[in-house]
Amino acid sequence: EDKVVQSPLSLVVHEGDTVTLNCSYEVTNFRSLLWYKQEKKAPTFLFMLTSSGIEKKSGRLSSILDKKELFSILNITATQTGDSAIYLCAVEETSGSRLTFGEGTQLTVNP
Amino acid sequence: GAGVSQSPRYKVAKRGRDVALRCDSISGHVTLYWYRQTLGQGSEVLTYSQSDAQRDKSGRPSGRFSAERPERSVSTLKIQRTEQGDSAVYLCASSRSLGANTGELFFGEGSRLTVL
Repeated sequence: EDKVVQSPLSLVVHEGDTVTLNCSYEVTNFRSLLWYKQEKKAPTFLFMLTSSGIEKKSGRLSSILDKKELFSILNITATQTGDSAIYLCAVEETSGSRLTFGEGTQLTVNP
Repeated sequence: GAGVSQSPRYKVAKRGRDVALRCDSISGHVTLYWYRQTLGQGSEVLTYSQSDAQRDKSGRPSGRFSAERPERSVSTLKIQRTEQGDSAVYLCASSRSLGANTGELFFGEGSRLTVL
């Protein structure tokens, strides 16, 4: 059975701190790994990763995938209160296009 | 509207009753997913459909969950014989292509189901 594990499950930091969120996975036929940010409403897309070692960057957020060790990290630098959200990691496998989500990391950034 | 919409936003049902939740996805999107989010268990895919498949595959946790797609951009998630453990937020998401290889799933705001 496909499995995605995120850590930590929750994290509280102060504005300006840098955080690293982890996502490890076990998927039979890996296709891509996706990161989403979920605030009060629907999750919004952050990154899709398919190749190892290539960093994707968007402003203060960046992410990288290691297909050998089967994990990804999401980095947020100079955190702001608006970064407070649940960050979801999901892995897509090739057959059937199924997505398996992790439990999410609840990030709280205090002023 | 241009986004994915779900209805009802909130639903309260008595245990044992059947429930139907509706999702209107984005016109032209071919893949449609239903997810369930519960506190402490994260999100899990319930079922999905691609292209014009009228009937989705039933996913976890059991055959009580099924989805029908009478039109390409409309899906109805049906939960039979609801149990208290079915209380959760049910999210619908659609994608332009088969699977999530565009990297973008468009999510609805969810339907919160409470089973008494």
